[in-house]
This record gives sequence, C-alpha cells and structure tokens, in this order.
Amino acid sequence: GQQLNQSPQSMFIQEGEDVSMNCTSSSIFNTWLWYKQDPGEGPVLLIALYKAGELTSNGRLTAQFGITRKDSFLNISASIPSDVGIYFCAGQRSGGYNKLIFGAGTRLAVHP
Amino acid sequence: DTAVSQTPKYLVTQMGNDKSIKCEQNLGHDTMYWYKQDSKKFLKIMFSYNNKELIINETVPNRFSPKSPDKAHLNLHINSLELGDSAVYFCASTEGGYGYTFGSGTRLTVV
Repeated sequence: GQQLNQSPQSMFIQEGEDVSMNCTSSSIFNTWLWYKQDPGEGPVLLIALYKAGELTSNGRLTAQFGITRKDSFLNISASIPSDVGIYFCAGQRSGGYNKLIFGAGTRLAVHP
Repeated sequence: DTAVSQTPKYLVTQMGNDKSIKCEQNLGHDTMYWYKQDSKKFLKIMFSYNNKELIINETVPNRFSPKSPDKAHLNLHINSLELGDSAVYFCASTEGGYGYTFGSGTRLTVV
C-alpha cells in the first residue's frame, strides 16, 4: 500500500542542536501533518500544512509543504531534552474523510 | 477532560479469546477511526465511521468488527485473537476528516 518515506530513521543529538527530518512520497498529498508521539501516548499534532509551498512555525518547530506536494520537512531549532520522542509525518489526500498515511517515524534522542 | 478516551489502556489475553476495546470522544466530531501501530511503530488505518456509518474499511481480517452505537463512540471487537494481533490500537476522531485527535492507545498483548 501507499507509504511515505521518512528520514532519518533515528537521530542522536546534543541539547541545543538543530534537527531536520523529511518525508517524501511518490504521489501527491493535499495535506501534510507532523505528529509527535511520547512513550505510552498517542500521536499529538504539531503542525498542519494545507497549501503547496506553505511554511508554518509552531514555537521552535518549522515545517514546509513541498511545492511538488510530494514532500515535507520538519525542523526543530535549539533542541531541548523534552523534544525526545518519535516524530511522524502523515499525508492526506483531498476530501473530508480520507485516511492519514503515516511515515515510519524518526526517533529523536537528545543528550543534555 | 480527555478528548478521545480509550479503555482499557492495557489488555493481556490468551490466543483464541474474544475481546473488545472501547473509544469515546467528547469533541463533537463526526468521524472516528481505528489505527493499528505495530512493533516497529508503523501506524496504519483500519476503519473509519462517519455518523455511525462505515466509510473506510482497510484490508483487515474479518475477525475485527467495529461498531459505532452513536457518533461519539466507536468500539472494536476482535474474535479468536492471534499472536499477530498484538499491537497498540489507537482511536482517533475528526470533524469532516480534519483536525485529527488521537487517544492514548490500547496496548494489546496476545499470549
């Protein structure tokens, strides 16, 4: 079935460093979403992107919807220990009830 | 007040048993979903209901049967549980397909 290619699979960084992760797809999406999952919890929405080329920030997080509509990236600036978790990209096609298609996740570890 | 709540949070059961997971949302959303997260953390949709009507049914064994008594509730019943059913099951809700909110998950372990 349809999958998103998310990279990197995991990252180990020092506190204060910037982080970048991205997702690519072979087909077009109308919405790109970025989620974070903490252990024992469900995914929590970080940023939603609805237009090609859109660049949106949420605090230290910035995400962009690629112009081709086949990719998106998420940047985290000045990482802190609580940024630890799994970050997922998700794509959604047009129309109301369409399912989310998730990337495999990027596991982020931040060392103090 | 939890927006999307699932019960139970943990479920350990033997192969062959039948079990149910319940989900309730108090967001007033019209669409609810079940997603499955496997041991590698990959998330995949299973079912979706809109106002009690089934609208998405992925390729899921028919041992899995969702039921939506009203638009605020979506339950998942699983018959004849198998080892491979062990996973974390997430309920989610949206309004018209947007604004996905996930529950905290039910970790099912089949032994």
